[in-house]
Amino acid sequence: LAKTTQPISMDSYEGQEVNITCSHNNIATNDYITWYQQFPSQGPRFIIQGYKTKVTNEVASLFIPADRKSSTLSLPRVSLSDTAVYYCLVVGSGGYNKLIFGAGTRLAVHP
Amino acid sequence: GAVVSQHPSWVICKSGTSVKIECRSLDFQATTMFWYRQFPKQSLMLMATSNEGSKATYEQGVEKDKFLINHASLTLSTLTVTSAHPEDSSFYICSGGTGGQPQHFGDGTRLSIL
Repeated sequence: LAKTTQPISMDSYEGQEVNITCSHNNIATNDYITWYQQFPSQGPRFIIQGYKTKVTNEVASLFIPADRKSSTLSLPRVSLSDTAVYYCLVVGSGGYNKLIFGAGTRLAVHP
Repeated sequence: GAVVSQHPSWVICKSGTSVKIECRSLDFQATTMFWYRQFPKQSLMLMATSNEGSKATYEQGVEKDKFLINHASLTLSTLTVTSAHPEDSSFYICSGGTGGQPQHFGDGTRLSIL
């Protein structure tokens, strides 16, 4: 399983765009990049998953360069409710894959 | 889709008690589910992989006799913390999903041992 590295913490203000970058130098050919969000005393919530280039959904965008050794989660116009811990994970494509969580990025959004 | 329900959400009990936590997949069949433990301000730590109809696979350092896992049906996995002690107090979370799709997590169980 590829190890991931993220900033430990980030601060932002309401209305700003937040970009969280994750490094995964040892990503394998069949691996996907998946991001989860976790609020205190709750289980992680799936945000977005991608393999290459760009993926966008209603809450975020995920940018993956051609070498796939890193990825960037982009949260447009954050609000106070986006204050959470964000985890980047590399997941194999086949079967039921166990998830190994790194430390995550603790995002604090200020008024 | 892929809703995972966990029960109870919070439990307080005396030292020496055994506590059972349930994890249900509500709208999908889960042949495999996962159990995690999370201490305050720390990340999730994978404890074990729960396999329907067979023995669970435990991560290194996790006592299988302490944390009993049963996965008797395609929609239910249970984690029993046997003879719990204060150091077992933690936030326990399960996850599951269909093959090849992102996993979904329960809302966790806060276990406090007095």
